[in-house]
Amino acid sequence: AQKITQTQPGMFVQEKEAVTLDCTYDTSDPSYGLFWYKQPSSGEMIFLIYQGSYDQQNATEGRYSLNFQKARKSANLVISASQLGDSAMYFCAMREWETSYDKVIFGPGTSLSVIP
Amino acid sequence: NAGVTQTPKFQVLKTGQSMTLQCAQDMNHNSMYWYRQDPGMGLRLIYYSASEGTTDKGEVPNGYNVSRLNKREFSLRLESAAPSQTSVYFCASRKGLAEAFFGQGTRLTVV
Repeated sequence: AQKITQTQPGMFVQEKEAVTLDCTYDTSDPSYGLFWYKQPSSGEMIFLIYQGSYDQQNATEGRYSLNFQKARKSANLVISASQLGDSAMYFCAMREWETSYDKVIFGPGTSLSVIP
Repeated sequence: NAGVTQTPKFQVLKTGQSMTLQCAQDMNHNSMYWYRQDPGMGLRLIYYSASEGTTDKGEVPNGYNVSRLNKREFSLRLESAAPSQTSVYFCASRKGLAEAFFGQGTRLTVV
């Protein structure tokens, strides 16, 4: 069963606008972490942001913020003030602690295109 | 600081051939991972190693073997390559709760 779901295969956003990329996850582990990575066309994986299941506040890193809704098992990435360089694939990933320590799995990704 | 180094960067194999993908990290990380990435599939976990001397299966382990040679090195072996194993392979490492650092990837084609 798919543990990480990213329902938007492709997204478009106007430059300087904000965009939300969806991620839902499935786990029964009480301790877990959620990550977002960016993969530009050059192929490297770039870490963006992390949220722990016990973190009280939503994570933020510069223009990136994570809208964490634990009850809904949702961890959406919000990019504010989009830039052309934000055009890339974006992957949501989850790490579970207790049931499978250190196992990190990824969702299928969302392709984001920023339009000038 | 090299980070995570994968070799080779590109490889073409004939069906049935064997090969080993090498991965080394110089960040003293405990955990290391091997993923494959296929178009439209995202990254799928093949094997991971939480510490030196331990390895565990991921989502798609069939057709692969791994060795955690020491804390720095984690290799992935294809014993008898198949066209279905054509993919881009990524090695990654992480320490504690922090983000994973990825290698540049190995583009493998099996003909």
